[in-house]
Amino acid sequence: DAGVTQSPTHLIKTRGQQVTLRCSPISGHKSVSWYQQVLGQGPQFIFQYYEKEERGRGNFPDRFSARQFPNYSSELNVNALLLGDSALYLCASSLEVRTPQHFGDGTRLSIL
Amino acid sequence: KNEVEQSPQNLTAQEGEFITINCSYSVGISALHWLQQHPGGGIVSLFMLSSGKKKHGRLIATINIQEKHSSLHITASHPRDSAVYICAVREGGGADGLTFGKGTHLIIQP
Repeated sequence: DAGVTQSPTHLIKTRGQQVTLRCSPISGHKSVSWYQQVLGQGPQFIFQYYEKEERGRGNFPDRFSARQFPNYSSELNVNALLLGDSALYLCASSLEVRTPQHFGDGTRLSIL
Repeated sequence: KNEVEQSPQNLTAQEGEFITINCSYSVGISALHWLQQHPGGGIVSLFMLSSGKKKHGRLIATINIQEKHSSLHITASHPRDSAVYICAVREGGGADGLTFGKGTHLIIQP
């Protein structure tokens, strides 16, 4: 069975650009969460979606947005990229909101 | 907001040693997770605990809800156990995602 898949695996952007990261959950999982992990730190919660609705939001600026599609896949969008947005972006899926989360391998975003 | 503290931050041990990694948190939770992260970023969920103790192979996780503390133990450690081990908690109220510790970087030398 396929696990959580994220694309792309690596991405290089410049300051001010916009980026879209994609996540496909495990089949049957209805919830997707997004996390940002800066080098040397633990992941930080960005968003959680369940049944296409936002169920939680972490302490991130409005430049960060996300959505979940009818097939439960999800996109994370970041506008007006800053150097500090350079990080590993992790997607995790779960059957329901509070059941164990399964993580993808992440998208490594570098901002030049 | 929950504060999640892990200790030690770094740990180097010899193959075969018994390993203990500790996690403490500040606010009541509904569940605590232990995760393993290898170089390159992939995260594997090891345990989800809300009380007591769980065992899987050479790994044991315990939680004391009253003391707001959890431990991850590795018996008969092996170089392939080398990774970053992360504690994460979900607070009792709702769907605000997980709050993570900074991780413990474990190296097991042959």
